[in-house]
Amino acid sequence: DGGITQSPKYLFRKEGQNVTLSCEQNLNHDAMYWYRQDPGQGLRLIYYSQIVNDFQKGDIAEGYSVSREKKESFPLTVTSAQKNPTAFYLCASSPSGVQPQHFGDGTRLSIL
Amino acid sequence: RKEVEQDPGPFNVPEGATVAFNCTYSNSASQSFFWYRQDCRKEPKLLMSVYSSGNEDGRFTAQLNRASQYISLLIRDSKLSDSATYLCVVNRDNTDKLIFGTGTRLQVFP
Repeated sequence: DGGITQSPKYLFRKEGQNVTLSCEQNLNHDAMYWYRQDPGQGLRLIYYSQIVNDFQKGDIAEGYSVSREKKESFPLTVTSAQKNPTAFYLCASSPSGVQPQHFGDGTRLSIL
Repeated sequence: RKEVEQDPGPFNVPEGATVAFNCTYSNSASQSFFWYRQDCRKEPKLLMSVYSSGNEDGRFTAQLNRASQYISLLIRDSKLSDSATYLCVVNRDNTDKLIFGTGTRLQVFP
């Protein structure tokens, strides 16, 4: 089945540690996105990529990094510089342009 | 003013009722509008796009009012399974960045 796969489902980070969240899609979509959702809040855009080897910062990029070496993969690294990383992280993709985005089932990140 | 504003609810309605949500957006240059549904602790799922002339999908009807900068979602004959949070989504300016509202919670009771 075509879709977006995020892993792991749950992740715990120690102080000073970098962690990487995986996002893979087999929908052949050009654009991919990372969002963060905090309780009672809307989704906030962290980074997005419209094409391989290119990506742009979203509204809350500080403390995060991404890469887009392959069309189907868009991993997100939460660095130790991100002081409040506890949240629900959602990866999405869309064919291109302003089209509906389709989401993976998310990764919940917590601090140990 | 927030870019996208929604009444958080909750809207508590009995099965079979008709319920409507509105959402206002601040940027008149926005061109794309969507409604998503999000169940508790799950990812958002696309419910429907919103077209200028309005559109319907089964029990769901979406409308766009560009002059007043709001979109609406009408749900007829509510089912228990419609209980969820409904997210209003608008693109920022004329870019492909989407802005998500904080959602309106719907609870349908027997």
